[in-house]
Amino acid sequence: AQSVTQPDIHITVSEGASLELRCNYSYGATPYLFWYVQSPGQGLQLLLKYFSGDTLVQGIKGFEAEFKRSQSSFNLRKPSVHWSDAAEYFCAVVPFGNEKLTFGTGTRLTIIP
Amino acid sequence: GAVVSQHPSWVICKSGTSVKIECRSLDFQATTMFWYRQFPKQSLMLMATSNEGSKATYEQGVEKDKFLINHASLTLSTLTVTSAHPEDSSFYICSASRDPNSYEQYFGPGTRLTVT
Repeated sequence: AQSVTQPDIHITVSEGASLELRCNYSYGATPYLFWYVQSPGQGLQLLLKYFSGDTLVQGIKGFEAEFKRSQSSFNLRKPSVHWSDAAEYFCAVVPFGNEKLTFGTGTRLTIIP
Repeated sequence: GAVVSQHPSWVICKSGTSVKIECRSLDFQATTMFWYRQFPKQSLMLMATSNEGSKATYEQGVEKDKFLINHASLTLSTLTVTSAHPEDSSFYICSASRDPNSYEQYFGPGTRLTVT
């Protein structure tokens, strides 16, 4: 079945530490890939997206993601997190030929001092 | 740029009444608007897709007579929850796309609906 999976429901990271959020997808053809962040009271904000080309994608707020076709993964990373990064993070896909976004279940990120 | 607003941000209504939620693209014309529903600590589920001037396309399992969507202009879409019941309580989020080839959607801040 076609799906997008975020294995980690909740991650806690110390401020200044590095971060990696996992995302795996299961589609016949590589879909378009997105990472969104949801903060309370704010709409979902696009961090970055991958359609094709360079497999390491740079986004806003110091985030990057790496597409790995062999692992069907699109993991989000940040070298050093800030307290303001605490939020809910969603991986999402648009299957090829379709404009509808399908979201993963989300990962809640908590930052501790 | 690419700001989407929703109104109201939260609403409480009594069971059996109807409530309307507005979604506006403030600084661009939206070719397509989407409505999502999000349950607590869960992901976003697409309810319907709407294009200006045409009928909305509902996802499987979404009652089109309960969730009425009107996309009256390129900057406004409304979702009306008719004869609301407590199980309709949820967080409703809209998004808008200005270029179907970009596959990028811009999201509103959401509307919290509580039905008592």
